[in-house]
Amino acid sequence: QKEVEQDPGPLSVPEGAIVSLNCTYSNSAFQYFMWYRQYSRKGPELLMYTYSSGNKEDGRFTAQVDKSSKYISLFIRDSQPSDSATYLCAMTQGGSNYKLTFGKGTLLTVNP
Amino acid sequence: DAGITQSPRHKVTETGTPVTLRCHQTENHRYMYWYRQDPGHGLRLIHYSYGVKDTDKGEVSDGYSVSRSKTEDFLLTLESATSSQTSVYFCAISGDRGTDTQYFGPGTRLTVL
Repeated sequence: QKEVEQDPGPLSVPEGAIVSLNCTYSNSAFQYFMWYRQYSRKGPELLMYTYSSGNKEDGRFTAQVDKSSKYISLFIRDSQPSDSATYLCAMTQGGSNYKLTFGKGTLLTVNP
Repeated sequence: DAGITQSPRHKVTETGTPVTLRCHQTENHRYMYWYRQDPGHGLRLIHYSYGVKDTDKGEVSDGYSVSRSKTEDFLLTLESATSSQTSVYFCAISGDRGTDTQYFGPGTRLTVL
């Protein structure tokens, strides 16, 4: 079983839709969870960062972590064509272990 | 791109030649990383550095070496390039704490013919 599983998509939605992106993981030691957005031919950019379980909201983006289920989600409200990108989840144990483990990414297209 | 530059941005080379990629940061961050990104594999860690002259291997280090003689520069060398090393290479940086997130550079697209 891979440490982090992420559906690669592609996912295509109309403008204005609510988008749900998800990752599951197997390592219960992961405590810090991140979502990166990567536009075509660009480097990943940090979108959301959360610690442990719970929700975090930033504008149209909400990150959820459910450690009991080993499941994290990213919700995008009122999706825009500019949200079209690959979304990567990443996680780490933290402390002395600073290595990130990445999902393979989900390709999202928002159609105008 | 959080004060990170990579050079060159694009390179085409031939099998068997050595190649060096450079990552330069202006953030004075302690940790630096080299990843490769390939379809179907996602981002995979090649090598990382936790300080000047302090480096260690990642999950796909075979055929690669690194050096860090200054805080701001982290070099990745392909000792004898092979076609399987055709990829997009990203450098990343993070701060002193294990909880610090990583910030990525713009990438280098390498093609080995």
